[in-house]
Amino acid sequence: EAGVAQSPRYKIIEKRQSVAFWCNPISGHATLYWYQQILGQGPKLLIQFQNNGVVDDSQLPKDRFSAERLKGVDSTLKIQPAKLEDSAVYLCASSLGGTGIYEQYFGPGTRLTVT
Amino acid sequence: AQKITQTQPGMFVQEKEAVTLDCTYDTSDPSYGLFWYKQPSSGEMIFLIYQGSYDQQNATEGRYSLNFQKARKSANLVISASQLGDSAMYFCAMRAPYNNNDMRFGAGTRLTVKP
Repeated sequence: EAGVAQSPRYKIIEKRQSVAFWCNPISGHATLYWYQQILGQGPKLLIQFQNNGVVDDSQLPKDRFSAERLKGVDSTLKIQPAKLEDSAVYLCASSLGGTGIYEQYFGPGTRLTVT
Repeated sequence: AQKITQTQPGMFVQEKEAVTLDCTYDTSDPSYGLFWYKQPSSGEMIFLIYQGSYDQQNATEGRYSLNFQKARKSANLVISASQLGDSAMYFCAMRAPYNNNDMRFGAGTRLTVKP
């Protein structure tokens, strides 16, 4: 079974530039998550999708971050414009949907450096 | 509100010995799940073990076991017979269906296994 795929693995941009990350979840997983992990901290949820609908985006800085999950499969996370404090690893995860408590499976992450 | 606390920023253990990583949590939800993830230096989050709030027995997975003390709201991870490859960051996390099923992570504990 293929795992969660993410690209790119690394990205270096200058502040005020734009960047986009891509995630392909495990086949059949209805729920998709984007996390931000700043160095030395645990992951922080940015947005959660159930199929192609947003369940929770309360911690997403909506003035600069946006995410979509068209067709309920792949997802993209965009930052526009980037700030220095956006330097972090962006993790995508997926899990089976529904009301059960399921473990999340994570992708390898995208390490973003904003200079 | 949900909260996960890991009070040990770093731990050292001798190879082949057992080690306990602490985790306490706070939630008002009656139903919740507790997870442990391992994050090696390569960055991916690897699911280790899961404990449901209604599970009567402590979860075990190979060399990993979860010491679940519900009244104390603690969910410590025990790694037996430590191996050099166990050196990594370890994160405790919690999900509660009534709280949007968000996964909340602790700050992590860095485990170093000494030869």
